[in-house]
Amino acid sequence: AQSVTQPDIHITVSEGASLELRCNYSYGATPYLFWYVQSPGQGLQLLLKYFSGDTLVQGIKGFEAEFKRSQSSFNLRKPSVHWSDAAEYFCAVGARGYGGSQGNLIFGKGTKLSVKP
Amino acid sequence: DAGVIQSPRHEVTEMGQEVTLRCKPISGHNSLFWYRQTMMRGLELLIYFNNNVPIDDSGMPEDRFSAKMPNASFSTLKIQPSEPRDSAVYFCASSLGLSGYSYEQYFGPGTRLTVT
Repeated sequence: AQSVTQPDIHITVSEGASLELRCNYSYGATPYLFWYVQSPGQGLQLLLKYFSGDTLVQGIKGFEAEFKRSQSSFNLRKPSVHWSDAAEYFCAVGARGYGGSQGNLIFGKGTKLSVKP
Repeated sequence: DAGVIQSPRHEVTEMGQEVTLRCKPISGHNSLFWYRQTMMRGLELLIYFNNNVPIDDSGMPEDRFSAKMPNASFSTLKIQPSEPRDSAVYFCASSLGLSGYSYEQYFGPGTRLTVT
């Protein structure tokens, strides 16, 4: 069965420091992979997505993520964090076209990011 | 585009009452998803529709929950009767379809439901 693991529940970084949020997935084939961000009281907003091709994908707000098939990982990175990046981040995997599950996204539990001034 | 619209944004009701949550997907999207988010269980998919037809409702917790999509621009999630454990934020999301680049889901702002 597909699954997504975000091992870090809560991370605190200083403003201006670099950031890496971890995501590991379990899926039998090459997955669709997504990172979403949720600010307090808001819905989820797509940061970036990977379907195929270049394993380093760029997203909005200066974020990037790298797909590593050998490690079943899709970690999110940002070189310099801003206070406005404080939010919860969700990694998700999508199934490729198998019956009733083809529309489903499996989300990780999320990582809450706090930013110190 | 106005994005996915959900109403109400907040709902407080007493145990045993019927609750109806509403969602208007982005125009042109043919897939619609209902999620529930709680601290304990995280984000859970309840049900999703494609071309107004329910595809997978295996996430619906029990018979008290029902969802409909009478047309491409409207969906409801109903809880009858409601219980305190139903308190959560309910999200609606829509997408262009179920495969390829249409996988991207756009989320509404959510409805915060409190059942007392």
